[in-house]
Amino acid sequence: QPVLTQPPSASASLGASVTLTCTLSSGYSDYKVDWYQHRPGKGPRFVMRVGTGGIVGYKGDGIPDRFSVLGSGLNRNLTIKNIQEEDESDYHCGTDHGSGSNFVWVFGGGTKLTVL
Amino acid sequence: QVQLQESGPGLVKPSQTLSLTCSVSGGSISSGGYYWSWLRQPAGEGLEWIGRVDTSGSTNYNPSLKSRVSISVDTSKNQFSLKLTSVTAADTAVYFCARHPITVGVDAFDIWGQGTMVTVSS
Repeated sequence: QPVLTQPPSASASLGASVTLTCTLSSGYSDYKVDWYQHRPGKGPRFVMRVGTGGIVGYKGDGIPDRFSVLGSGLNRNLTIKNIQEEDESDYHCGTDHGSGSNFVWVFGGGTKLTVL
Repeated sequence: QVQLQESGPGLVKPSQTLSLTCSVSGGSISSGGYYWSWLRQPAGEGLEWIGRVDTSGSTNYNPSLKSRVSISVDTSKNQFSLKLTSVTAADTAVYFCARHPITVGVDAFDIWGQGTMVTVSS
């Protein structure tokens, strides 16, 4: 099954831009990945799905235009422009794999984004 | 607007069974079209998918937990439940329930509960 790798932390100044990376393990370059925003004390919130062609489908409810994705090779990255205080969250990427009894969802370790 | 709410004991003794329930409000679980999942997040770690159930009761489990997990659905109560047997300290985590559509399109987890902390300790 695929492994998703995320750096544990990232930071950016208010109003700046940041790219959060999510890297698939070798052999899974055709996989799509979902991004979730997770604020403390709340359930995660779907941001959007990304494949090699960029966004797949639609953004989650209330996700601002400042959020975008780009997929290339094994990378499925989330970029946030004009960062606001409310963007400070943990960000998780996940994907599904297999079928039937071998079906599984897998997630990266998450990245904690700090707004400076 | 559909909402999910986890409930259950916050403290479970080692070797015992962890039991949690997810209550669905604002919509009927019987309407179909969704999988209903349990996930968890240990402190300082990423999310881990535990398993899912559909409204017929059909289940899929994470192979790493399969021998200890059971997920069931009770459509009369509009809820689904998790049982995890033989727990150890490694099962200490925030547990989430969530749903995702059964579709060939974007089948991401679109609604989540707020999570409930479960500690395994004597």
